[in-house]
Amino acid sequence: GAGVSQSPSNKVTEKGKDVELRCDPISGHTALYWYRQSLGQGLEFLIYFQGNSAPDKSGLPSDRFSAERTGGSVSTLTIQRTQQEDSAVYLCASSQRYRDSKNIQYFGAGTRLSVL
Amino acid sequence: QKEVEQDPGPLSVPEGAIVSLNCTYSNSAFQYFMWYRQYSRKGPELLMYTYSSGNKEDGRFTAQVDKSSKYISLFIRDSQPSDSATYLCAMRGTSGTYKYIFGTGTRLKVLA
Repeated sequence: GAGVSQSPSNKVTEKGKDVELRCDPISGHTALYWYRQSLGQGLEFLIYFQGNSAPDKSGLPSDRFSAERTGGSVSTLTIQRTQQEDSAVYLCASSQRYRDSKNIQYFGAGTRLSVL
Repeated sequence: QKEVEQDPGPLSVPEGAIVSLNCTYSNSAFQYFMWYRQYSRKGPELLMYTYSSGNKEDGRFTAQVDKSSKYISLFIRDSQPSDSATYLCAMRGTSGTYKYIFGTGTRLKVLA
C-alpha cells in the first residue's frame, strides 16, 4: 500500500513569507507526527496528533509554527513569516496504535525547506 | 546533556566489514528501542525494533540492548556499499508514551 506522502518535496521561499507543508499519512493510521531535521541535529519533535484528541504541540519552536489535521487524515504544517533558521527538512510520520502499543512510526520522504 | 547520544561519524569501512553502531542514553524509563536507516534525501525507514534488554537478529543486522549500561548497538555483518546511509537510534518509554527520542544519527560509508 501507499506510504506516507509529503508535498512539496522541496520548497524555496523568501524570508518573511508563509509556507504550508502537507502530509498524507498511511490509511488507517490514527497517529501523526511532525519533526524537523537540521544538519547535524537529530529529529526534533514538533507536534503529535492522535485521533480526535487535542494535539501535543509542545515541540513547536515558536508561535510562527502551527499545524492542523483535518478529518483525522491529512495534516498541514504552516510556518508564518519564515526565517533563515527555519531552513531544514520537515518530516512527517504516522503510526497505528495497537493494544500492545507497538506504535511503530513510518516516515515520509520529507519536505526540504530553504529560506533565502 | 542530551537524553540520547550518538556519534555522528562519518564512519568509513571496507566492503565486507562488520560495522558496530552505538547509542547511549540517560533515561532509565526507556523500554522500546529502534534503529532507523536514512538514505540521502529520503525519510528514515525502520530497521530493527526491540523491547527491553537482549539481542534481536534479522539477516545481516543484529540489535543489542543493555539496559544496565544504558547502551544499545546495531551490528551489520558483511557490510555492502548499499548499506551506506545514516543510521538513527530512537527510543521511548512505557507502552503509554508516544514520543520517540532520536539520536543525531551516524553517517556510514561502505567502500567497494
